[in-house]
Amino acid sequence: DTAVSQTPKYLVTQMGNDKSIKCEQNLGHDTMYWYKQDSKKFLKIMFSYNNKELIINETVPNRFSPKSPDKAHLNLHINSLELGDSAVYFCASSPPAGAVTYTQYFGPGTRLTVL
Amino acid sequence: GENVEQHPSTLSVQEGDSAVIKCTYSDSASNYFPWYKQELGKRPQLIIDIRSNVGEKKDQRIAVTLNKTAKHFSLHITETQPEDSAVYFCAAFSYFGNEKLTFGTGTRLTIIP
Repeated sequence: DTAVSQTPKYLVTQMGNDKSIKCEQNLGHDTMYWYKQDSKKFLKIMFSYNNKELIINETVPNRFSPKSPDKAHLNLHINSLELGDSAVYFCASSPPAGAVTYTQYFGPGTRLTVL
Repeated sequence: GENVEQHPSTLSVQEGDSAVIKCTYSDSASNYFPWYKQELGKRPQLIIDIRSNVGEKKDQRIAVTLNKTAKHFSLHITETQPEDSAVYFCAAFSYFGNEKLTFGTGTRLTIIP
């Protein structure tokens, strides 16, 4: 019954590898997001999708490619992983921006460690 | 774009005392201001929010105030308890702007028993 879920919870990999993180929400929201939280706890938006269309791309390196197969899923694929990619990645979802009930709900996070 | 500043970065208070965290924002078009609590190793969780047509909102021991003229908003926690220890984030959002939440840099609140 988890509203926003992510897999895996932990991901440890070598530099240069390619990895994916999956996100699913069962709240019926149209909009989904990816955030990166670094070691200093700064929360920074990376992407947002509305009904499978890219809305926000915050100058993220093109090694990061989000994919939304349907409005309940937003996956994040990362190519050629670098040490600086180590962080916690959070998925989130929300109703449309103009909704009276607008707020964002976060997934549990994926801790990525690049060795 | 929007810029949100949050102070203090760390705050220690005695159990039972009050805690206040302050944020300022730059974009006058911002009209939604949530506060998130993040416990160690957990996801950010919404604890209270306020929209720009309201000056104050309260939920039990937590309250948020908004001053649109001065572009600042504050979180107030009264009768603090050990379980209030966490990192708190403020954020600002514009329904009619670029539609993204801009977060403050976080406040690590420690409640001293």
